[in-house]
Amino acid sequence: KQEVTQIPAALSVPEGENLVLNCSFTDSAIYNLQWFRQDPGKGLTSLLLIQSSQREQTSGRLNASLDKSSGRSTLYIAASQPGDSATYLCAAQQAGTALIFGKGTTLSVSS
Amino acid sequence: NAGVTQTPKFRVLKTGQSMTLLCAQDMNHEYMYWYRQDPGMGLRLIHYSVGEGTTAKGEVPDGYNVSRLKKQNFLLGLESAAPSQTSVYFCASSYTTSMRNTEAFFGQGTRLTVV
Repeated sequence: KQEVTQIPAALSVPEGENLVLNCSFTDSAIYNLQWFRQDPGKGLTSLLLIQSSQREQTSGRLNASLDKSSGRSTLYIAASQPGDSATYLCAAQQAGTALIFGKGTTLSVSS
Repeated sequence: NAGVTQTPKFRVLKTGQSMTLLCAQDMNHEYMYWYRQDPGMGLRLIHYSVGEGTTAKGEVPDGYNVSRLKKQNFLLGLESAAPSQTSVYFCASSYTTSMRNTEAFFGQGTRLTVV
């Protein structure tokens, strides 16, 4: 059974700092790994999708990496801004099944 | 493009009442999923479907039933609502793993309160 863990559960940083969010999964036979953002009381917004054959994906100030052999993915946020404050969720998917989510990291960026 | 649409957005039920949540997607996705989100618990999978006419249980299926009679719709039913089913429900869809882009798209959520 796939289990996804995100550490830390919460993170507070000053504006402008670079930061890394961590995601680990127990079964390396994944098809893809996806990072989402969720604002309070809102739905999920997809940030980055990494297919199993890829090592990383970039979108603006965001960079996500995937290391299947070690069961880890990281989300790197460069030059953080107060608008980045949200909960970040990672989800791993295996063939023929649904996405399994971690519990998320709640990020607070202070100005 | 509407993407994934959930109906209704909010609902209050009395214990023992029944209701159906509707999820509709217009992206021709094969996979569809229902999750519930509770504080401190993250998103937990209730049921999912890998194609029209097929359904499978997830992590927390008890008290829920689903149907996928049409490819674009995935219905979640509560036969006899209980206060423990108070939650925010999210529906999502994606292509099969045989497609290049398997990104999952989510609906805006349904906030259900059972009193």
